[in-house]
Amino acid sequence: GAGVSQSPRYKVAKRGQDVALRCDPISGHVSLFWYQQALGQGPEFLTYFQNEAQLDKSGLPSDRFFAERPEGSVSTLKIQRTQQEDSAVYLCASSSLQGSGILYEQYFGPGTRLTVT
Amino acid sequence: AQSVTQLDSQVPVFEEAPVELRCNYSSSVSVYLFWYVQYPNQGLQLLLKYLSGSTLVKGINGFEAEFNKSQTSFHLRKPSVHISDTAEYFCASNRGGATNKLIFGTGTLLAVQP
Repeated sequence: GAGVSQSPRYKVAKRGQDVALRCDPISGHVSLFWYQQALGQGPEFLTYFQNEAQLDKSGLPSDRFFAERPEGSVSTLKIQRTQQEDSAVYLCASSSLQGSGILYEQYFGPGTRLTVT
Repeated sequence: AQSVTQLDSQVPVFEEAPVELRCNYSSSVSVYLFWYVQYPNQGLQLLLKYLSGSTLVKGINGFEAEFNKSQTSFHLRKPSVHISDTAEYFCASNRGGATNKLIFGTGTLLAVQP
């Protein structure tokens, strides 16, 4: 079946512009995660949704970052007034519902490479 | 705090030779451990995971890893590598729970040479 898809795959923004990155999770996956991967680094957690509820946004680096998942499926990560330090690959992952003592694999999309000039 | 350390940023190896990629974790509670592979311009693919039980875990593409609680390690091994194994490898952990977020190491580039 179809995996996690992300669009656009590449985005170039001028400093100060707003950007919106889209994630289409695997159909039926309740959990959705966003990660940020800077050049030469491992991915870092940004935020987590269970259905439409944003249960953890502890990794969002500033109030310029905003994520939503209004219908519990597609998610959008928005970055306002982009800065050069926002340049990174933004990865989306989805999984089945996490339960007490039950751990499901996170499936990752190909990522969106954001370059802020 | 939970963290994952991959000391080797790059590991060069000749084709058909064995390889070990090192991973150490720190956590005050039990963790789940994972190895992911990332090919150029692609997302992360799960190689294997340790949740509980047998400390030797076998994954895809002939990889295996051993969980060592006393040394807080989860090293990845393959007895004979192929050119196609050239990629970035990430070790990750999580503690489960409400969020299940993954904590990643900085990655190790496995460079297989002919």
